[in-house]
Amino acid sequence: SQQGEEDPQALSIQEGENATMNCSYKTSINNLQWYRQNSGRGLVHLILIRSNEREKHSGRLRVTLDTSKKSSSLLITASRAADTASYFCLPMDSSYKLIFGSGTRLLVRP
Amino acid sequence: DADVTQTPRNRITKTGKRIMLECSQTKGHDRMYWYRQDPGLGLRLIYYSFDVKDINKGEISDGYSVSRQAQAKFSLSLESAIPNQTALYFCATSDPGQGVLYNEQFFGPGTRLTVL
Repeated sequence: SQQGEEDPQALSIQEGENATMNCSYKTSINNLQWYRQNSGRGLVHLILIRSNEREKHSGRLRVTLDTSKKSSSLLITASRAADTASYFCLPMDSSYKLIFGSGTRLLVRP
Repeated sequence: DADVTQTPRNRITKTGKRIMLECSQTKGHDRMYWYRQDPGLGLRLIYYSFDVKDINKGEISDGYSVSRQAQAKFSLSLESAIPNQTALYFCATSDPGQGVLYNEQFFGPGTRLTVL
């Protein structure tokens, strides 16, 4: 099992700006997933990137994966107040013992 | 209707009481999970089950037990609740899909448990 570590722990931006958050992990993975959690609610799956992919897009989300550096980034473009949430990465290895990190808390100011 | 439901949504109990949290899913997934989340922290895995006959301990299983009554139901019990078990508890399901690479998690709405 392994845990992703998100950076920064907290991020505050103005509506319309882009938000970038990063994830580092320790061992080789099958895929890496990003989740969003609105305050006090369950996590929602955003996007999955496989280990043989380098970049993936979904709407305003762009995820990159660098397996040589064991890192991933999540970019949210043209942020909205509704994007305010905590964001978690989940590196998936063959153990499937899932451990979430403490996340990045994003605040988008109107 | 929600695909993953949890009952109760909120519960306040006293130290030493036995508590059961229930999770039901209509997604037809074989894999089910229980997590707890403490304020400002990520989720920690308590137990997981890959099918009805398969139960596995997660990162923090001490003080908890589970029962997989059917494919659709996975219950978490606190045999004797203590205050440091006050937390938000989430159930999740996943389906390995094609091969074992996918494993997207689908979360329930959570149960807020307070142990006095």
